Amino acid sequence: GAGVSQSPRYKVAKRGQDVALRCDPISGHVSLFWYQQALGQGPEFLTYFQNEAQLDKSGLPSDRFFAERPEGSVSTLKIQRTQQEDSAVYLCASSLGQGVTGANVLTFGAGSRLTVL
Amino acid sequence: AQTVTQSQPEMSVQEAETVTLSCTYDTSESDYYLFWYKQPPSRQMILVIRQEAYKQQNATENRFSVNFQKAAKSFSLKISDSQLGDAAMYFCAYRSAFGMRFGAGTRLTVKP
Repeated sequence: GAGVSQSPRYKVAKRGQDVALRCDPISGHVSLFWYQQALGQGPEFLTYFQNEAQLDKSGLPSDRFFAERPEGSVSTLKIQRTQQEDSAVYLCASSLGQGVTGANVLTFGAGSRLTVL
Repeated sequence: AQTVTQSQPEMSVQEAETVTLSCTYDTSESDYYLFWYKQPPSRQMILVIRQEAYKQQNATENRFSVNFQKAAKSFSLKISDSQLGDAAMYFCAYRSAFGMRFGAGTRLTVKP
């Protein structure tokens, strides 16, 4: 597609529910990132994929968070047993290449706002 | 670990005036990129400008320019002839082979 698409845009979950957030990156983009953005804060890194390989998951806050990109394109961020502190906007971004080159500008999706009651 | 610091939580500028947003970063790497992203209320992050660390010349994109001081690890954004549409959160970001990190952001208000 022309841009990075995220769904749902808004999700309200009751505490303890599982949620799944989807990211469709730009076609052909190798790198995919997930960020968590709390209200009034900058994006905090969660995890990074290069194709289907999850190269860095150091930012995932707990083992309740899980991300996958099985075919190297669409990615899903899953949060199990949601807690109120999980309420945030979850941003997905993709880039054409890897490493540090001019082709590696991140293009962001509009984000998925999760509210846990 | 790399850190990015934006020391100005909020800034205000009069329409048509110039404003400078500050950013400092900490790294031991030599190969990296620096970015400024804009996030309007609609939430979509939009690239404003980028700077390669190996280039001494400051990047410029129309009304937006940077002052990159590599030794001081400083990367400020100057917005000239500010417009109402420039009002947004601005995030400084650092990218290396190990990923991309953002500062906490500066909220820019443009007064008509």
